[in-house]
Amino acid sequence: DAGVTQSPTHLIKTRGQQVTLRCSPISGHKSVSWYQQVLGQGPQFIFQYYEKEERGRGNFPDRFSARQFPNYSSELNVNALLLGDSALYLCASSLRNRFYEQYFGPGTRLTVT
Amino acid sequence: AQSVTQPDIHITVSEGASLELRCNYSYGATPYLFWYVQSPGQGLQLLLKYFSGDTLVQGIKGFEAEFKRSQSSFNLRKPSVHWSDAAEYFCAVESSGGSNYKLTFGKGTLLTVNP
Repeated sequence: DAGVTQSPTHLIKTRGQQVTLRCSPISGHKSVSWYQQVLGQGPQFIFQYYEKEERGRGNFPDRFSARQFPNYSSELNVNALLLGDSALYLCASSLRNRFYEQYFGPGTRLTVT
Repeated sequence: AQSVTQPDIHITVSEGASLELRCNYSYGATPYLFWYVQSPGQGLQLLLKYFSGDTLVQGIKGFEAEFKRSQSSFNLRKPSVHWSDAAEYFCAVESSGGSNYKLTFGKGTLLTVNP
């Protein structure tokens, strides 16, 4: 079975631009979570979506938004990019809106210049 | 608010030696606790988890962790380290507010294994 997939793998954006990251969960998983991992730090929780509804939100500004589609895939949008948004963005999927069966994707490396 | 502290930023051990990585958490309710491993170029992988019951939990790759409520700790151990264990290790705690959930990670401990 395919694991969690994320696209793109890498991308470079300029300050002020907007970016959309995509995540496809493991088949049968209904929950998707997003994390930001800055170099040298642990992942920071951004959002969790379960059954297409937001079920958890971390301490991120409103520039960050997400949605989940009927097929349970998800998009993370970041507007008005700042240099500090440069990070590895991780997506994880799970069966339910809990974290004990969570599987991570390889991540999208975002560089803001 | 919940938090996780991993006091050791970097630990070096010799192959075959025992290992203990420390994790302290802060959370008002009964915690759900996790240890993850991240190898270079690899995604995060769950090593083990604690929800309730036996305070000593077994995980993959020969790892175990012990939950000590009195010390707010969830330390990861391995009796004999292999070179392939070199990676970054993250402790995490799940918190809830009603039907919403959040996962908080520590800053990680980088493990180096000497031959």
